[in-house]
Amino acid sequence: EPEVTQTPSHQVTQMGQEVILRCVPISNHLYFYWYRQILGQKVEFLVSFYNNEISEKSEIFDDQFSVERPDGSNFTLKIRSTKLEDSAMYFCASYRDRNYEQYFGPGTRLTVT
Amino acid sequence: DQQVKQNSPSLSVQEGRISILNCDYTNSMFDYFLWYKKYPAEGPTFLISISSIKDKNEDGRFTVFLNKSAKHLSLHIVPSQPGDSAVYFCAARSGTYKYIFGTGTRLKVLA
Repeated sequence: EPEVTQTPSHQVTQMGQEVILRCVPISNHLYFYWYRQILGQKVEFLVSFYNNEISEKSEIFDDQFSVERPDGSNFTLKIRSTKLEDSAMYFCASYRDRNYEQYFGPGTRLTVT
Repeated sequence: DQQVKQNSPSLSVQEGRISILNCDYTNSMFDYFLWYKKYPAEGPTFLISISSIKDKNEDGRFTVFLNKSAKHLSLHIVPSQPGDSAVYFCAARSGTYKYIFGTGTRLKVLA
């Protein structure tokens, strides 16, 4: 069964450093998402991406964040200068169209020290 | 901004009995609702969904009910099994692309 994959599974970084989280969505999916979940809290929408551009973003997704689909298969989330409060699980999700459910990846745990 | 709320952080149910998980929302423009199940160290897994034009959707042991006038949805699991023990999130679609999740309910099914 096809699945969304994410790398790395755990990333530790120092405050102020840049990180790139990587996702490989399911190959025939057209809509791509990033979510985050701070420990013990709800899953929060960050950004959606469709047709090679951001379709919607939340207030969390400020200028420190960017997304890219550089090669038609990978979907990346970059945080330019990490803060302690960026520590969370980051989930990538994708789906084919609006009538289908989102498939989530296993997540990347980001720890900012 | 708590547009989707799950007021019960946890629920314990005996194996074989019905589990009922509740979710309330505030935005009447939500057009699609979903339930996800999440195990520790894994991403959420889709369970069942319902369009805002329906009031019930059933899939095996899982049934979702939507009461639009009360802005309330519920997930019924019957019979509950130990493997159902997980955190359950409801989510609502806002506009074309944005999904808003609730805070989750931890279900424990006791053998």
